[in-house]
Amino acid sequence: AQSVTQLGSHVSVSEGALVLLRCNYSSSVPPYLFWYVQYPNQGLQLLLKYTTGATLVKGINGFEAEFKKSETSFHLTKPSAHMSDAAEYFCAVSGSGGSYIPTFGRGTSLIVHP
Amino acid sequence: DTGVSQDPRHKITKRGQNVTFRCDPISEHNRLYWYRQTLGQGPEFLTYFQNEAQLEKSRLLSDRFSAERPKGSFSTLEIQRTEQGDSAMYLCASSLAGTQNEQFFGPGTRLTVL
Repeated sequence: AQSVTQLGSHVSVSEGALVLLRCNYSSSVPPYLFWYVQYPNQGLQLLLKYTTGATLVKGINGFEAEFKKSETSFHLTKPSAHMSDAAEYFCAVSGSGGSYIPTFGRGTSLIVHP
Repeated sequence: DTGVSQDPRHKITKRGQNVTFRCDPISEHNRLYWYRQTLGQGPEFLTYFQNEAQLEKSRLLSDRFSAERPKGSFSTLEIQRTEQGDSAMYLCASSLAGTQNEQFFGPGTRLTVL
């Protein structure tokens, strides 16, 4: 079985501040890990993914995430928040049990204050 | 690249009516997925196709739900005898097999059952 826990349903930051969105996963096999972003009334867009290799993954829009196996974490960061980053962010895990169907977390709403 | 498209974007229906949604994947993608997303939750997997074959169905997919992909291109999701609990966003995604399950999502169909 696989699962994802996103700590904090809402994260609020000031424009220019560091963004940190937390994701912990559970998987019985080496996982594939993903972060998606969803803007209002739109589908999900892939920000970045980890499959194998380098544990620090860079994505679009200045986001990056680090796979830490010992901590079963895949936290998403961005050094400086922009107003346009305000959206819902979903962490997902796949690979467990031979199925590549991802399991999504409940999401974290990022609020950016001017 | 026109991306994944879904039709309609919004559907309001009365309880007990049948509804059908359509998804057109990215043309070269052979995998197609359906998800349901309710407010404050991440997407929940419903079913997926590889070409025209329906390979996996979630236990969330009750017998009132049926999905088809007759020619391995577009797909339809039908809900019979709708219930208020069916109100949700229905998301479609597509991918190529063998790409660590990088999925591209459509904008979704928002269903409201009155």
